[in-house]
Amino acid sequence: SAVISQKPSRDICQRGTSLTIQCQVDSQVTMMFWYRQQPGQSLTLIATANQGSEATYESGFVIDKFPISRPNLTFSTLTVSNMSPEDSSIYLCSVEALGLAGGYNEQFFGPGTRLTVL
Amino acid sequence: QQPVQSPQAVILREGEDAVINCSSSKALYSVHWYRQKHGEAPVFLMILLKGGEQKGHDKISASFNEKKQQSSLYLTASQLSYSGTYFCGTGGGGSNYKLTFGKGTLLTVNP
Repeated sequence: SAVISQKPSRDICQRGTSLTIQCQVDSQVTMMFWYRQQPGQSLTLIATANQGSEATYESGFVIDKFPISRPNLTFSTLTVSNMSPEDSSIYLCSVEALGLAGGYNEQFFGPGTRLTVL
Repeated sequence: QQPVQSPQAVILREGEDAVINCSSSKALYSVHWYRQKHGEAPVFLMILLKGGEQKGHDKISASFNEKKQQSSLYLTASQLSYSGTYFCGTGGGGSNYKLTFGKGTLLTVNP
């Protein structure tokens, strides 16, 4: 299993500023992902954070807007740059790790960061 | 391509059964089911893999029809704790865990 913490848990930011969200896992994992979830909506994959190389972004998301770092196998950051009110959302990191019952991998999610942009 | 879930919402009384469906327009390699309670992170329920393998927690069952590109989650003898939004996530070739999620099904279980 994997226990994930995120910082900050919530923030209110001004338009045009940037916010960096941290994701810490209690064990080494290969696969880490960043998702966005608008209130009451589905989860949308932003990118896969790769250790030692650039992140892999999904269609509609670009590195200049959402730069990601992955310095080691337990930590990643997502920056939301030059924010606008449309960026208001919940940002979640997730990892693939051995399931609680063993024998298979599950995807574990962090508690999320609730971002409001004014 | 985002999978399509149905129904969008369902209300049950404790002890009743429900089925939540997930279908995709493209070939599926894996289907993952999660439950998310309000204000909390999604929690893994089950993974179904192409070829018939299934892994998940007890008391949850699901099916995966590869030909029809559909999966169904079966909730039997529902409990109040089953309330939440259920998401199916579909994985493509290359990574079973790079998931595309459906819009979710809101399940409410009343006493």
